[in-house]
Amino acid sequence: AQSVTQLGSHVSVSEGALVLLRCNYSSSVPPYLFWYVQYPNQGLQLLLKYTTGATLVKGINGFEAEFKKSETSFHLTKPSAHMSDAAEYFCAVWDTGNQFYFGTGTSLTVIP
Amino acid sequence: GAGVSQSPRYKVAKRGQDVALRCDPISGHVSLFWYQQALGQGPEFLTYFQNEAQLDKSGLPSDRFFAERPEGSVSTLKIQRTQQEDSAVYLCASSLRVKSSYNEQFFGPGTRLTVL
Repeated sequence: AQSVTQLGSHVSVSEGALVLLRCNYSSSVPPYLFWYVQYPNQGLQLLLKYTTGATLVKGINGFEAEFKKSETSFHLTKPSAHMSDAAEYFCAVWDTGNQFYFGTGTSLTVIP
Repeated sequence: GAGVSQSPRYKVAKRGQDVALRCDPISGHVSLFWYQQALGQGPEFLTYFQNEAQLDKSGLPSDRFFAERPEGSVSTLKIQRTQQEDSAVYLCASSLRVKSSYNEQFFGPGTRLTVL
């Protein structure tokens, strides 16, 4: 089975600062990789995904993530945080067993 | 509707009660998934339907959990004799095609179940 590790259950950044949320996965075969965002009392919304091709993936709301096979990582970044980015972020893996495995989530706080 | 809807949004049950959670997927979506999200955790897979067929129920934690999708659209997750450890948010997701390869899952807002 896959495992997904998100380092840091809580991350705080100042408005306008760089956002970096870390995700590492375990897999002998590169899986499909995803970042989802969850706002309070809402369902999961897809931010971006990596399936094949370019390893730098751009998503909605100015987020991007880079797949690094050698590091088994898929960290999420945004150059400048907005107040509206405050939410829970989940990294997920879709493997050849056709199932999602989610990390435990990182809660992002944006300080004005 | 435009998205996946779930009802009720919140449910409080006394230990031992049975509960039923409903999911209305996006119209025309073949695949339907249920997930359990405990407090402070990521969603964990419970079960999968392709149309009305329940093809994977490997994630159901006990035989107290039962899911159905009799007409291939609306699905119900039933939990019998609820226990405190069943307290969680139950998420439903649907996707357009079968699960043979990845296609985007659209998530509902979830039902927050609290068992007292």
